[in-house]
Amino acid sequence: NAGVMQNPRHLVRRRGQEARLRCSPVKGHSHVYWYRQLPEEGLKFMVYLQKENIIDESGMPKERFSAEFPKEGPSILRIQQVVRGDSAAYFCASDTGQGGGYTFGSGTRLTVV
Amino acid sequence: QKEVEQNSGPLSVPEGAIASLNCTYSDRGSQSFFWYRQYSGKSPELIMSIYSNGDKEDGRFTAQLNKASQYVSLFIRDSQPSDSATYLCAVNFPSGNTPLVFGKGTRLSVIA
Repeated sequence: NAGVMQNPRHLVRRRGQEARLRCSPVKGHSHVYWYRQLPEEGLKFMVYLQKENIIDESGMPKERFSAEFPKEGPSILRIQQVVRGDSAAYFCASDTGQGGGYTFGSGTRLTVV
Repeated sequence: QKEVEQNSGPLSVPEGAIASLNCTYSDRGSQSFFWYRQYSGKSPELIMSIYSNGDKEDGRFTAQLNKASQYVSLFIRDSQPSDSATYLCAVNFPSGNTPLVFGKGTRLSVIA
């Protein structure tokens, strides 16, 4: 019974490159949430998706960031033209949408050099 | 404005003592409350959920909810050094399909 799978665990990108983060939810979970965490900071909501739909993207910057959760395959968080300020841990979580708390993946630690 | 407030700590308690962690939230209509534990460099792990006023116990953990005063607490009995972590409070605000809002977390250090 696999949990939320995120990859890669660590990602290093040069300024201006693209970062692509993947998340496969718990089997049977149709709701995916992306959060960003800076050192010594809490989890900041970015985007909430269901299959093929973005439900809430109020926490995601309008420029350079996009997310999708296609009918088949993992959810993808894409950051174009990365800058040093994008360096953070990005966590994906999933649930059934019925409440009961989220299950988190192990995160992707993005470092922009 | 959806806000979840926690004292950032660090909160230091001796081994065997009771650790008390508190969280306040801004919306009186909130219905679901969660405590997560996060070890340094790791992902958050759900340890308690509470939905009704009063206490809920699970092993050494007790969550306490007071909706009238808009706070939720977590008590850890017989604290162990392995409990040293950051504890995140999360609240599900009531307006439609909204994601969990997290506090910044309280760092707990249990001293042997």
